[in-house]
Amino acid sequence: AQSVAQPEDQVNVAEGNPLTVKCTYSVSGNPYLFWYVQYPNRGLQFLLKYITGDNLVKGSYGFEAEFNKSQTSFHLKKPSALVSDSALYFCAVTLNTGFQKLVFGTGTRLLVSP
Amino acid sequence: NAGVTQTPKFQVLKTGQSMTLQCAQDMNHNSMYWYRQDPGMGLRLIYYSASEGTTDKGEVPNGYNVSRLNKREFSLRLESAAPSQTSVYFCASSEDGKINEQFFGPGTRLTVL
Repeated sequence: AQSVAQPEDQVNVAEGNPLTVKCTYSVSGNPYLFWYVQYPNRGLQFLLKYITGDNLVKGSYGFEAEFNKSQTSFHLKKPSALVSDSALYFCAVTLNTGFQKLVFGTGTRLLVSP
Repeated sequence: NAGVTQTPKFQVLKTGQSMTLQCAQDMNHNSMYWYRQDPGMGLRLIYYSASEGTTDKGEVPNGYNVSRLNKREFSLRLESAAPSQTSVYFCASSEDGKINEQFFGPGTRLTVL
């Protein structure tokens, strides 16, 4: 069975500092990995995905994520945080075979202070 | 394009009442999904429709039914609501069920008393 762990309920960072939101996954096979962001009272929005190829994936709003197969991790990063990045972030995984049924992590709240 | 739309935005039900949550997408997507979001549990898949005319159970299907009315519309029905179904419900769609990202609606906040 697939699973995703986001070990931090909340991450606090000052504006202008780099941020990392952690994600580890477990699948029996090769994964497709996704990051989504949710702003208050809104649906989820796609940020980026890893399918295959380069382990460093670049996405929307200056975010990037690094796929590490040996550590089964897919951490979300941004070099310089903005207050407007404050939101709830979800990591999700699916197998690269068959129909895509995403399994989501529990979410990490990112709080960027001015 | 409106993307994915959901109605209603809010609903309060009494235990045992029934209701249908509506979802429509205008992106000509083949695949559609229903999720529920509960605090500390992330999103969990209730049902999905890989393509028009097909539906399948997800992780938490008990107490729900779905209908893929046509390519655009995918509804979720609660036949006899229970307090455990208090949640925020999201509909999503994707071009197909492979590697494409899912697009989410704004959600329906449901309270069952």
